[in-house]
Amino acid sequence: QVQLQESGPGLVKPSETLSLTCAVSGYSISSGYYWGWIRQPPGKGLEWIGSIYHSGSTHYNLSLKSRVIISVDTSKNQFSLKLSSVTAADTAVYYCARSWGIAAAQIDYWGQGTLVTVSS
Amino acid sequence: QSVLTQPSSVSGAPGQRVTISCTGSSSNIGATYDVHWYQQLPGTAPKLLIYGNSNRPSGVPDRFSGSKSGTSASLAITGLQAEDEADYYCQSYDSSLSGWVFGGGTKLTVL
Repeated sequence: QVQLQESGPGLVKPSETLSLTCAVSGYSISSGYYWGWIRQPPGKGLEWIGSIYHSGSTHYNLSLKSRVIISVDTSKNQFSLKLSSVTAADTAVYYCARSWGIAAAQIDYWGQGTLVTVSS
Repeated sequence: QSVLTQPSSVSGAPGQRVTISCTGSSSNIGATYDVHWYQQLPGTAPKLLIYGNSNRPSGVPDRFSGSKSGTSASLAITGLQAEDEADYYCQSYDSSLSGWVFGGGTKLTVL
């Protein structure tokens, strides 16, 4: 059974960098699939942040691209998200997720989500 | 403002049928990209409900069905049950944005 688990600080100060890691179990990242991040502000809808292939190829939401870096560490079977220059608008539950592709693909596994609050 | 448009809420009595629409444009649903649907129960992560417009993952009851036509897609739920009360989201790919797009979500209330 594939499982994804997010981890990272729950509180980040404005203008700083949000950093999260997603540990994957039950499947080897190096075997394939895309690994991505989706966020959900409190009481609002879902927003795709970006995805990375096991080879390191990335796809980012154009509205966030200038502030986002997603990386993969196949040796630890995990991938990470860095979002710079955060503001209160970046407060959200952040989910990591798996999909077989980008253009036509669905998300078949989700992490449980982690709430990140941006506040001084 | 979501790229895909969904009604903010729908409701129905137990046993009834409800539908949730998802309207897009020529750069996403109308460009033949698949539509997927997710169910999000309160306080939990979304769960895949329908993929590839009309396919159900293993374990999803056949009370849930999906369809797509032109620039729109629909999720139908028959035989409504109290446990179906949740938020529902559609998702597709947008060629202009080169990425995934989601609907704003629809809250289903079982009366």
